[in-house]
Amino acid sequence: QVQLQESGPGLVKPSQTLSLTCTVSGGSISSGGYYWSWIRQHPGKGLEWIGYIYYSGSTYYNPSLKSRVTISVDTSKNQFSLKLSSVTAADTAVYYCARRRWLQFEDYFDYWGQGTLVTVSS
Amino acid sequence: SSELTQDPAVSVALGQTVRITCQGDSLRSYYASWYQQKPGQAPVLVIYGKNNRPSGIPDRFSGSSSGNTASLTITGAQAEDEADYYCNSRDSSGNHLFGGGTKLTVL
Repeated sequence: QVQLQESGPGLVKPSQTLSLTCTVSGGSISSGGYYWSWIRQHPGKGLEWIGYIYYSGSTYYNPSLKSRVTISVDTSKNQFSLKLSSVTAADTAVYYCARRRWLQFEDYFDYWGQGTLVTVSS
Repeated sequence: SSELTQDPAVSVALGQTVRITCQGDSLRSYYASWYQQKPGQAPVLVIYGKNNRPSGIPDRFSGSSSGNTASLTITGAQAEDEADYYCNSRDSSGNHLFGGGTKLTVL
């Protein structure tokens, strides 16, 4: 059973960089066919896709966040990470990591972390 | 347009059937996936592809699609099905879209 667990600071100051790590267990992040993703949810709101990375390092980001987002992978630690720069209060959200499975016309997130709340405040 | 539209709220009587819909241009080309989210919990995948259920998801959950509309149907809704439901799809540019969510109330 694949499990994902987010970790990182729960409080970030405005203008600083938000940094989170997702640790994957029960499976190798280097397994082909999966894309390792970040998704966030503002308080009381819906889900917003941030981006994903393949184990090779290829990335794809939400155009609305692309200028501030970096997702990286460390296959030796079976982890992938999110950095979001120049944060504001609007970046306060629960951040989820998830595994994306992509098979031609089927595209879905089958495993999710429990989520971590990140608050942007001075 | 690159959006997925869901009704904000739907209600169903216990044991009855309810359909939750999701509309968007991307659904003409790509299947939707559906997620159930209960308060304070992470989303859980309930339907993906043409009409596939992950292991552990009851068979009262089913999916369908026609044109630009995807639907999640719960046949014989149970009290534990009360939750928010989100649809998701990718668009032709590779971006992932989520619907705004539908709050399901089981009466």
